[in-house]
Amino acid sequence: AQSVAQPEDQVNVAEGNPLTVKCTYSVSGNPYLFWYVQYPNRGLQFLLKYITGDNLVKGSYGFEAEFNKSQTSFHLKKPSALVSDSALYFCAVRDPGNTPLVFGKGTRLSVIA
Amino acid sequence: NAGVTQTPKFQVLKTGQSMTLQCAQDMNHEYMSWYRQDPGMGLRLIHYSVGAGITDQGEVPNGYNVSRSTTEDFPLRLLSAAPSQTSVYFCASSLRTGVTDTQYFGPGTRLTVL
Repeated sequence: AQSVAQPEDQVNVAEGNPLTVKCTYSVSGNPYLFWYVQYPNRGLQFLLKYITGDNLVKGSYGFEAEFNKSQTSFHLKKPSALVSDSALYFCAVRDPGNTPLVFGKGTRLSVIA
Repeated sequence: NAGVTQTPKFQVLKTGQSMTLQCAQDMNHEYMSWYRQDPGMGLRLIHYSVGAGITDQGEVPNGYNVSRSTTEDFPLRLLSAAPSQTSVYFCASSLRTGVTDTQYFGPGTRLTVL
C-alpha cells in the first residue's frame, strides 16, 4: 500500500527567504504526487501535481516541486516566501492501481515578517 | 459553478444521535469522497464513490454510511454519534476516477460530539 511522510510538523521561514516543505513517499510502481494547501478554516486547495515528464513541476502562487525518484521525494519549494504563504501543506500520493489518494499528516508553514 | 458545497458548517451532537452531512457538487464529477481531518493525523479517507450507485470503504469507515443516488450528491450519515467522531469532515470530488485527476474540496463541516 502507498504511504507518504512529511517529516516536519512545522517549518518557520523569514519573509523573502526560500522555503522547502519536505515529502517522501512509498508506492509500488510509478507514483502520482500532489501538493495541497489549507488556509485557516478553509478546505484544501490544489497547488500542483507530478504525473510524468519533467521532474520539476510548477504550480499555483509561485510554488514548485521537484520529483526525485532515487530519493522517493517530492519536496515543495518557493524561491521567496510571503507572509500570506503561511498555511498547512499536505503532500499526497496515488499509485498506478487507481487506489484512493493517501495524504501525509501535513506541515504547518509559518512565514515571519 | 458553486464547486463542492457542504452543509452544515458547524454541528454539535450528543452521543448516540444520528445525523447526515450533506455534500453536493455541480461540476458533473464522477468521483466523490469523504475525509476526516484530525490534528496530527492529516486527512483520512472514510468512504468514496466512483459513480452513481457505487460506493466503497476507505481507511476509517466504521460508524459511517454513504449512498450515491445521483451524480451530484454524496451524503455521509453518522448512525450513532460517538465522541471519537469529533472532527472536521471534508467532501471532495474529481472529474474522473483516473489516478491523475485533481480532487476539489468543499469548505468542511466541523462536528463536535458531546
